[in-house]
Amino acid sequence: AQKVTQTQTSISVMEKTTVTMDCVYETQDSSYFLFWYKQTASGEIVFLIRQDSYKKENATVGHYSLNFQKPKSSIGLIITATQIEDSAVYFCAMRGNQGGSAKLIFGEGTKLTVSS
Amino acid sequence: GPKVLQIPSHQIIDMGQMVTLNCDPVSNHLYFYWYKQILGQQMEFLVNFYNGKVMEKSKLFKDQFSVERPDGSYFTLKIQPTALEDSAVYFCASSRDWGVEQYFGPGTRLTVL
Repeated sequence: AQKVTQTQTSISVMEKTTVTMDCVYETQDSSYFLFWYKQTASGEIVFLIRQDSYKKENATVGHYSLNFQKPKSSIGLIITATQIEDSAVYFCAMRGNQGGSAKLIFGEGTKLTVSS
Repeated sequence: GPKVLQIPSHQIIDMGQMVTLNCDPVSNHLYFYWYKQILGQQMEFLVNFYNGKVMEKSKLFKDQFSVERPDGSYFTLKIQPTALEDSAVYFCASSRDWGVEQYFGPGTRLTVL
């Protein structure tokens, strides 16, 4: 069975600092895709960044980057130079690659609060 | 990023009634999805739809649920009849291709009384 786990329920940081959010996953698939989304206070869900399991390089988009540790089945999200507007709930998600499945399996989410 | 639209934003209905949730996917996307989120919980997959057919559905996609996308119109989720446990926020998503990121709409909050 596939599963995504985010153990950090909430994190509070000061703006302009760096924050790392953890995510571990379980899958039997030999290749898979990992995603991070954020859900704003209004409920909007925004795609942030993606990591394909066969790629060794960590993905980076703007001030988001990933720490992909395949042997540990871990995909951490790193946000550098945080801003107040980064406050949101961050979800890690996985899509397997077997049987034609395209569904995303989400973690429980980590609430990030950025203060001035 | 690409925008998915959902109508209505909030729907309140009595248990046993029928409800249709509408989604306007990104224009060049071919794969469509519905997810359910109960307040404060993680999002859960319901169904995905491609080329006029349901490709995959979860256990949450009960017999009372159906999806369709008549040519050029909304991708819809119909629940008939509704039950109290159907109260949740329903998110529509679409993707350009099978393996790439999905883009989500703003959600429809469904309240079943």
